[in-house]
Amino acid sequence: NAGVTQTPKFRILKIGQSMTLQCTQDMNHNYMYWYRQDPGMGLKLIYYSVGAGITDKGEVPNGYNVSRSTTEDFPLRLELAAPSQTSVYFCASRASGGGGRIADTQYFGPGTRLTVL
Amino acid sequence: GENVEQHPSTLSVQEGDSAVIKCTYSDSASNYFPWYKQELGKGPQLIIDIRSNVGEKKDQRIAVTLNKTAKHFSLHITETQPEDSAVYFCAASPRGNNRLAFGKGNQVVVIP
Repeated sequence: NAGVTQTPKFRILKIGQSMTLQCTQDMNHNYMYWYRQDPGMGLKLIYYSVGAGITDKGEVPNGYNVSRSTTEDFPLRLELAAPSQTSVYFCASRASGGGGRIADTQYFGPGTRLTVL
Repeated sequence: GENVEQHPSTLSVQEGDSAVIKCTYSDSASNYFPWYKQELGKGPQLIIDIRSNVGEKKDQRIAVTLNKTAKHFSLHITETQPEDSAVYFCAASPRGNNRLAFGKGNQVVVIP
């Protein structure tokens, strides 16, 4: 299994441009997450999804959009890039629990480093 | 919502010594406490976790302890090695919650 993969690894955008950060997992996980990581600030949740067709806002959703049309993919869209969106973006996934199983571990991708100038 | 704080922000230790990082959480309903290690240029990776029905858990040189009354949990690394140098994040999740609340991270530097 490749686990969680993210593309691109690096990207430079101009203010006002748009782009989509791709995230794919091959572990058949229902739950997927997008975080941003700023220096010294830990990981902030942007959006998450508990299954195909279901998404919900996290702590810092403004300026971003997501969709979840398949179990495997969870793309993050930036419509009008701003310098405040310069950050490292991580996608994560985890299995769902149920049936007596505990499945809390989140598995992270390698990240996308985005700079908006 | 849950608020997680980590102390200290940076920790330097001599190779072979022990390192301890402490986290506090605010929500008494939290029942899952993972620790992640992030090496430079990589995504966070789970190294150990503990649930609220257990007070301590060990895995080779790392251990985690949980004090539910005081609402804090700690990561202990013994016999530190240079490859332990990284940023360590703690997190907490309330029962039935699909989300993790992360601390801001600790930079651990192991001096050879």
